[in-house]
Amino acid sequence: GENVEQHPSTLSVQEGDSAVIKCTYSDSASNYFPWYKQELGKRPQLIIDIRSNVGEKKDQRIAVTLNKTAKHFSLHITETQPEDSAVYFCAASNRNQGGKLIFGQGTELSVKP
Amino acid sequence: DTAVSQTPKYLVTQMGNDKSIKCEQNLGHDTMYWYKQDSKKFLKIMFSYNNKELIINETVPNRFSPKSPDKAHLNLHINSLELGDSAVYFCASSQSTYEQYFGPGTRLTVT
Repeated sequence: GENVEQHPSTLSVQEGDSAVIKCTYSDSASNYFPWYKQELGKRPQLIIDIRSNVGEKKDQRIAVTLNKTAKHFSLHITETQPEDSAVYFCAASNRNQGGKLIFGQGTELSVKP
Repeated sequence: DTAVSQTPKYLVTQMGNDKSIKCEQNLGHDTMYWYKQDSKKFLKIMFSYNNKELIINETVPNRFSPKSPDKAHLNLHINSLELGDSAVYFCASSQSTYEQYFGPGTRLTVT
């Protein structure tokens, strides 16, 4: 069945360092890949997404890359700040099948000041 | 002016009871979803409605019944609640199955 694997499960970095979270998906028909940030007790918030016809997308300190051949996509956060601390989820979706998001297991990012 | 809202925010109830969670979105989106987040924070799709039509119905016990009275509302009714139903339930909405925006969640505790 459809599956998304996410690594690492926890990540601790010093303020100002970069953080990278990686995901692998199983369904080759997936064509939409969003990333969500969830702070403790809050809702998942969409922070960036990428569609299957694009290899890379950047928004200020956040970038996402997609390798369709390897069925692999990654989130890169540069110049991390303490407020980046949260759980990050990757997801994959086949928009032609109702758009259901298959989520990864989450990565708890801790940015130490 | 909250985009996706849910009520109630917290729900504590006993096993065997029936409860409902309501969701409303004012974004003009055509698709709404229910997700369940378990104690390990894993998020899993339950249902999706597009223009009031059920389009996704994952492997969910039939004690869970969604209803969409119109495009802006999606409710979730749960019969005969069990301990394992304790979780946070999130409603989400999107336009044409792209960016999904989540509601604040309903924390359900079954005792």
